[in-house]
Parts: sequence; structure tokens; C-alpha cells
Amino acid sequence: AQKITQTQPGMFVQEKEAVTLDCTYDTSDQSYGLFWYKQPSSGEMIFLIYQGSYDEQNATEGRYSLNFQKARKSANLVISASQLGDSAMYFCAMRERNTGNQFYFGTGTSLTVIP
Amino acid sequence: NAGVTQTPKFQVLKTGQSMTLQCAQDMNHEYMSWYRQDPGMGLRLIHYSVGAGITDQGEVPNGYNVSRSTTEDFPLRLLSAAPSQTSVYFCASSYSPSGFSYEQYFGPGTRLTVT
Repeated sequence: AQKITQTQPGMFVQEKEAVTLDCTYDTSDQSYGLFWYKQPSSGEMIFLIYQGSYDEQNATEGRYSLNFQKARKSANLVISASQLGDSAMYFCAMRERNTGNQFYFGTGTSLTVIP
Repeated sequence: NAGVTQTPKFQVLKTGQSMTLQCAQDMNHEYMSWYRQDPGMGLRLIHYSVGAGITDQGEVPNGYNVSRSTTEDFPLRLLSAAPSQTSVYFCASSYSPSGFSYEQYFGPGTRLTVT
């Protein structure tokens, strides 16, 4: 079974609007972390935001926030006030304690910001 | 800090040739890993290491070998290149294999083509 599922291969958003990128995960571990990475067309992987399984508050980093719904096993990334530079691939990832803290990645969502 | 460095950036191999992709990090990270990225498939784990002298297989290890003689270096060897190994390869590192809250830092990637 897939550990991380990203069901939106491609998304479009108008500049200055907010957008939500979906991520669901599958784990029976109580201790895990959820991560979002951005990959622009230049190819590098950029860490955006982290949410721990024991964190009660949703994580925020500037214009990025993580909508963490533990019971539903979802960890959606919300980008507020989209900018042209946000156009990129976005990957959701999970790290579980029970599997030696390996990282599992989703297949990614391609976001295009329209001027 | 240079972070995670990878060499070469690009490589073309003929079927059956062998080569080593180099990866080094200067952050004293215990956890290091190799991924391949193919269109529509996200990042798939090839091999990983939780410290010098310790390596383990990931999701797609066939055709690849690794070793970890020092904390800093984690080379990936292609034993006999095949066209199916055409991909972009990323090396990554992270603090403490016992901690699930630490993000991975990625190298810039190596684009490998096997003809």
C-alpha cells in the first residue's frame, strides 16, 4: 500500500489566491513526521514545512501552513497569497519511527501560478 | 557549509558500463540516502545508511551498491548500467536516524542517461 498519496497531479491557481495541495498518509505508527518539499524547474529539493504526529497545532512557515487532520490521516499544504515563484512540483513525505525513520515520498503535485 | 554535494551533475553511460555517483555532506549527519526520481513516480529510495559501516536497502535497490566508510561520504555504484536506470539521482542527509522530526537535506542531483 502507498504510504503517501497525492491525488492531484496538476493544479492551477491565480496569483495572490490561496491554494491547498492534498496529501494523505498511511501509518500504524504513533510517532511520525510529515514534510513538504518544493522542487522548482531548476531541480533542487527545498524543504518547506514539518508537522510532527504529536503536535497539537498546525505548523506554519510564512505563507505555508499545514492543515493536519490526524484522524483522517491528511496533511494538506496551504499556500496563501500565491506568487509566480510558487510554480513548482510539491512533494509530501513521511518519516516513521517504526521503519527506522526512512522517508516515504508521494508522487507530487505540479502547481502552476497564473498571472 | 557546502551542505550535500553530488558529482557529476550529468552523465551519459553505455549499457553495461559501471560508474560511481559521489555524495558528500559536511553537516555530520548520521542518516544518508539515495533516491531516484522518474516522471510521475516521485522519489524512490534506493539505499540508505544510518551511520558509518551500516547500510540497508530501500524500495528499488537492484543494480546498485553502496558503502559508508565515513560519516561524510556515501557513494552509489551502478554495477552494469541499463537503460532502465536512466533517471535523476538525489543524495540526501539528515540528523539522527532515531529522530523522525528531522528533515532531509538534498544534493543538487545527478542526471544520468544510459544508452
